[in-house]
Formats: sequence, C-alpha cells, structure tokens
Amino acid sequence: DAGVIQSPRHEVTEMGQEVTLRCKPISGHDYLFWYRQTMMRGLELLIYFNNNVPIDDSGMPEDRFSAKMPNASFSTLKIQPSEPRDSAVYFCASSELALGTDTQYFGPGTRLTVL
Amino acid sequence: GIQVEQSPPDLILQEGANSTLRCNFSDSVNNLQWFHQNPWGQLINLFYIPSGTKQNGRLSATTVATERYSLLYISSSQTTDSGVYFCAVVGTTGGFKTIFGAGTRLFVKA
Repeated sequence: DAGVIQSPRHEVTEMGQEVTLRCKPISGHDYLFWYRQTMMRGLELLIYFNNNVPIDDSGMPEDRFSAKMPNASFSTLKIQPSEPRDSAVYFCASSELALGTDTQYFGPGTRLTVL
Repeated sequence: GIQVEQSPPDLILQEGANSTLRCNFSDSVNNLQWFHQNPWGQLINLFYIPSGTKQNGRLSATTVATERYSLLYISSSQTTDSGVYFCAVVGTTGGFKTIFGAGTRLFVKA
C-alpha cells in the first residue's frame, strides 16, 4: 500500500481565498483523522471520521473550516475564507478497525501558508 | 480533558548514548502511541502501547497504565534518531479523540 496520500504538499494562498486539502487513507482503514500542527499549539486533532461519518469535530477551530468524506477513499478539509493564522501543517491519518484503539498512520502533510 | 506531559522538552546526546523519554497522562487511556517526527516533518509510528512493554531494535517502550506513565528508551543513539518524539493518547471517555503531548526534541551529535 502507498500509505496515506495528501495533496497538495505545499499551498500558498492569499487571505480570503478558499483552500481545499485532500487525503486518501490507507485502503481498508475505517478511521480518518485530520490534524493541524503549529509551533504555538503543537499537534491538534481537528476532526475524525468513522466509516465516512464525522464523529467528533470539536477540534475544528471555526465555521470557516469544514471537512467531508464522500467515500472510503477520499476526504477533504476546506478553509473558507482563509486567514494568515490558518498557516500550519495539516496532517491526515488513518487507522484500521478496533474502534480507533489502533495504530494511526500519518500522511506527509500539507504545508499551508496564508499571506 | 486528558492532559499529556512529556519530559524532557529538549535533549542533546552524543552518538552512542542511551536515553529515556517520559510521558505522563492525567487519566485512564485506551490507546497510547509513540511517534517520531523526523527533521523533514514526517510522523512515523514507533509503538502502539496502551500497556506493557515492547521492543523494536534499539527502541523499546513501557507503559504502566495504573500509574499513568509511559517511557520510551533509545539505546545506542544514532544521528538519524534526531527529531521530535511525541506521545499521543486516547482517553477512555470522550470518544476516540487523540491528544498529543508537546514532544521531546532530540538532537544526536556525531
């Protein structure tokens, strides 16, 4: 398996623009997680899905952030409108069954810069 | 929510030295993982260890769930061990929300 795939790897945009980050989890994994990493706040869980259904989105910072998982092999994290404070590395991770009590495998991340 | 504290925050080692990293957590956990984030930013799972002891080459980990801590041992350190080591837990309440510690930044000198 190719592992968790994220695109784009780098994104530079201007304040106010819409940004869409994409993730393909490992095939057969039922859980998908979106994280954000910043110097100030470290690694934070934004939202996670189980079998394509959002389970906990309490980490999503604002209504400007939204995430979808239309099928088992694809998820998006959208920010609209983007702001400079959204600059961070966004990671997607997936894990197998076992009610989430399992190893999480991380993608390479998307480094987002909002000017 | 559950709190995760890691120590030390920073560590500098001479190549070949051994080290112990610690992770304390404030409540019962269903899941505890150790990750290494390499200098290129990639997060790599080292251990899934909610309890007990595991070993993988020069690395080993022990979690004492009843006392709410986990230890990561690195023996005969190499320069490629440099990076940040994170402990991440999932508590027994609040669903499967994963909480990361702030990490231990390790630099191994040649």
